[in-house]
Amino acid sequence: DGGITQSPKYLFRKEGQNVTLSCEQNLNHDAMYWYRQDPGQGLRLIYYSQIVNDFQKGDIAEGYSVSREKKESFPLTVTSAQKNPTAFYLCASSPTAAGSSYNEQFFGPGTRLTVL
Amino acid sequence: AQTVTQSQPEMSVQEAETVTLSCTYDTSESDYYLFWYKQPPSRQMILVIRQEAYKQQNATENRFSVNFQKAAKSFSLKISDSQLGDAAMYFCAYRSPQGAQKLVFGQGTRLTINP
Repeated sequence: DGGITQSPKYLFRKEGQNVTLSCEQNLNHDAMYWYRQDPGQGLRLIYYSQIVNDFQKGDIAEGYSVSREKKESFPLTVTSAQKNPTAFYLCASSPTAAGSSYNEQFFGPGTRLTVL
Repeated sequence: AQTVTQSQPEMSVQEAETVTLSCTYDTSESDYYLFWYKQPPSRQMILVIRQEAYKQQNATENRFSVNFQKAAKSFSLKISDSQLGDAAMYFCAYRSPQGAQKLVFGQGTRLTINP
């Protein structure tokens, strides 16, 4: 089955620790995205990548880092610099990043991060 | 920058009735895409319906339809014959055709279906 997997589903972290959230897709999509979801708010973009070895900051990138060494993988690291990291994190991918044609974003099941 | 506003934090409807969820957006672009996503308790984001701004005809997907008013920058979702499985958070989203094609989301509307 093609799709996007995120692991783990639930993650607990102590204050001051870095933690990495996994996102893998087997849809052969070029573009990948990380969103953060807080209660009462919509999804906000953290980072995105249009091609391998390239990525750009989204609207709330401070305290986060990413890498894109493989087309299928786009891990997100939540660093100790992130002031309020407790949230639900969603990864998404889409076929192509450029152009005006319609490109649907497909979402993974998400990771719930709680800082203790 | 584009913004999306959903002014109804919560809505409820009787099973089998019709409900309309509101969404307004702000943009200076003439061409763009609009989406409604559903997020059930499982928290999986599911695309419900999409609309291209250059198309005047409102999109329809089975029981789901939109009322797209480009001049008013309004994009409402109508759910007909509501079913218990429609209970979820609904998010309106905007996407520019240019650049990285990232989605800009509204705050969401929680829809409750009363049996």
